[in-house]
Amino acid sequence: AQSVTQLGSHVSVSEGALVLLRCNYSSSVPPYLFWYVQYPNQGLQLLLKYTSAATLVKGINGFEAEFKKSETSFHLTKPSAHMSDAAEYFCAVSVPAFSGGYNKLIFGAGTRLAVHP
Amino acid sequence: NAGVTQTPKFRVLKTGQSMTLLCAQDMNHEYMYWYRQDPGMGLRLIHYSVGEGTTAKGEVPDGYNVSRLKKQNFLLGLESAAPSQTSVYFCATPGENYGYTFGSGTRLTVV
Repeated sequence: AQSVTQLGSHVSVSEGALVLLRCNYSSSVPPYLFWYVQYPNQGLQLLLKYTSAATLVKGINGFEAEFKKSETSFHLTKPSAHMSDAAEYFCAVSVPAFSGGYNKLIFGAGTRLAVHP
Repeated sequence: NAGVTQTPKFRVLKTGQSMTLLCAQDMNHEYMYWYRQDPGMGLRLIHYSVGEGTTAKGEVPDGYNVSRLKKQNFLLGLESAAPSQTSVYFCATPGENYGYTFGSGTRLTVV
């Protein structure tokens, strides 16, 4: 069965510091992987996605993630944190669940990022 | 979020009361999903639909019912609310490249 593990439910960084949010997945088939961001009292917004093209994926707001099959990881990074990056981040893996249709997303538990001055 | 609208945005229920959450999409997608979000547990799939008139169970279906009488609407019902159903509920439809487009959520408190 497919699953996602996000290491660290809370991460705190200083403004301008590197952001690293960890995600490991388990999948019996080649996965599609996603990072979503959720700002307080809002819905989820797609940050970036890996769909078997380039292993280094660039997303919005300066974030990027690298798919490493050997490590079954898809860690999210940003070189320099900004106060506006404070949010909750979810890693997700897609699972083929519907015949001839769209994949079902399995989410990690989330990582709350705090950015302090 | 563009294309997926959820109502209501907030609701407080007493234990045993019933209610229906409405999700409406204007993107003509066949697939629609209901998730619940709880602290430390991410999002878990409650029910989903692969087209008008069809529904299927997800990971945590107990205590919920759904209906998809019209393609654009996906209703989530709680027949007898319990405190364990206090959560934030999200509706979603397929987005680009196997991602999803989410509604803005419904925050439900059962007292």
